Amino acid sequence: KQEVTQIPAALSVPEGENLVLNCSFTDSAIYNLQWFRQDPGKGLTSLLLIQSSQREQTSGRLNASLDKSSGRSTLYIAASQPGDSATYLCAVATGTASKLTFGTGTRLQVTL
Amino acid sequence: NAGVTQTPKFQVLKTGQSMTLQCAQDMNHEYMSWYRQDPGMGLRLIHYSVGAGITDQGEVPNGYNVSRSTTEDFPLRLLSAAPSQTSVYFCASKLGQAGYSPLHFGNGTRLTVT
Repeated sequence: KQEVTQIPAALSVPEGENLVLNCSFTDSAIYNLQWFRQDPGKGLTSLLLIQSSQREQTSGRLNASLDKSSGRSTLYIAASQPGDSATYLCAVATGTASKLTFGTGTRLQVTL
Repeated sequence: NAGVTQTPKFQVLKTGQSMTLQCAQDMNHEYMSWYRQDPGMGLRLIHYSVGAGITDQGEVPNGYNVSRSTTEDFPLRLLSAAPSQTSVYFCASKLGQAGYSPLHFGNGTRLTVT
């Protein structure tokens, strides 16, 4: 059974700092890995999707990497801003693109 | 373009009552799904559908029923609510089953069962 772990559970950084969020998974036979953002009381917003054949994806200040052999992904956020404060979740599709297994998320706070 | 719309936003039920959580999407997505989110457990898949007339079970299907009569709608039914079903429920959709299609979420329904 796929298990997804995100460490740390919470992170606080000053504005402007570059940071890395980590995601690890136990079964490397994945279809894709997605990073989501969740604001309090809201749904999830898809940030980046990396297919199993890809090594990384970039969108603006965000860069996600994927290393299937080691079962790890990282989300790099450059020049963090207070508006980046949210919970970031990663999810992997294993065996089929129809079922995602989620991590429990990293709560990020960017302070002024 | 409304995306994925869930109603109601909040609901309180007594044990044994039934209700239907509504989900509608206007993006012509073939795939729709229901997740529940509980503290410390992440999101868990309840049921999903890859097209009208087709549904399948996810990780935690017990106590929930679904049907998919149209592409746009995917309601989730609780036949006899239990306190263990207190949770935040999210509906999500995507374009087909391809691995390159990201998941779009609604804003959730917060359900309390007393």
